[in-house]
Amino acid sequence: NAGVTQTPKFRVLKTGQSMTLLCAQDMNHEYMYWYRQDPGMGLRLIHYSVGEGTTAKGEVPDGYNVSRLKKQNFLLGLESAAPSQTSVYFCASSRATGGGTGELFFGEGSRLTVL
Amino acid sequence: KQEVTQIPAALSVPEGENLVLNCSFTDSAIYNLQWFRQDPGKGLTSLLLIQSSQREQTSGRLNASLDKSSGRSTLYIAASQPGDSATYLCAVITGANSKLTFGKGITLSVRP
Repeated sequence: NAGVTQTPKFRVLKTGQSMTLLCAQDMNHEYMYWYRQDPGMGLRLIHYSVGEGTTAKGEVPDGYNVSRLKKQNFLLGLESAAPSQTSVYFCASSRATGGGTGELFFGEGSRLTVL
Repeated sequence: KQEVTQIPAALSVPEGENLVLNCSFTDSAIYNLQWFRQDPGKGLTSLLLIQSSQREQTSGRLNASLDKSSGRSTLYIAASQPGDSATYLCAVITGANSKLTFGKGITLSVRP
């Protein structure tokens, strides 16, 4: 019963370093999302994907890149980390339905600190 | 642009009280609305999903209602318990791109 799994759960980076967050889901969901959560700002959508090989920008995409080479995986990359990217990152997935997306399932989060 | 508002930001109640958490949204053309629970340091757990054609959904002590025309949803928690203490977020899906817009959440504290 893995659901949505995020790795790593914690990471500390120095400004300018790069890293990749991995999200894996075992529910055969079409849609996958990356959010960041910051105090007072709520959850903000970074990028999302509506199927294998597709990606789209969300509300706050700058400084991030994503890839969805396999249906079950959605990768979030930071090419040159900045202190403003210190946040908790959440991955989510859902199945496609006739009326939009179905129920969203979230991972446990990845806490990133950029020094 | 869809905006989702949850007021108040925090709420403290004594154990056993029935309570209502409110969520309002600006664009009534939604596909569905979800209520989530988030415990400190954890991810979000889906509580209830209401499709746009539905008026309410129930799960145990939780009941969520949806009034699209007025842009409102409520989450009713019956006989609150200290274990219900958490942050409750609502989110709506608007449009065919299936993106969710979240409220900032209501942090609930149930006092023993």
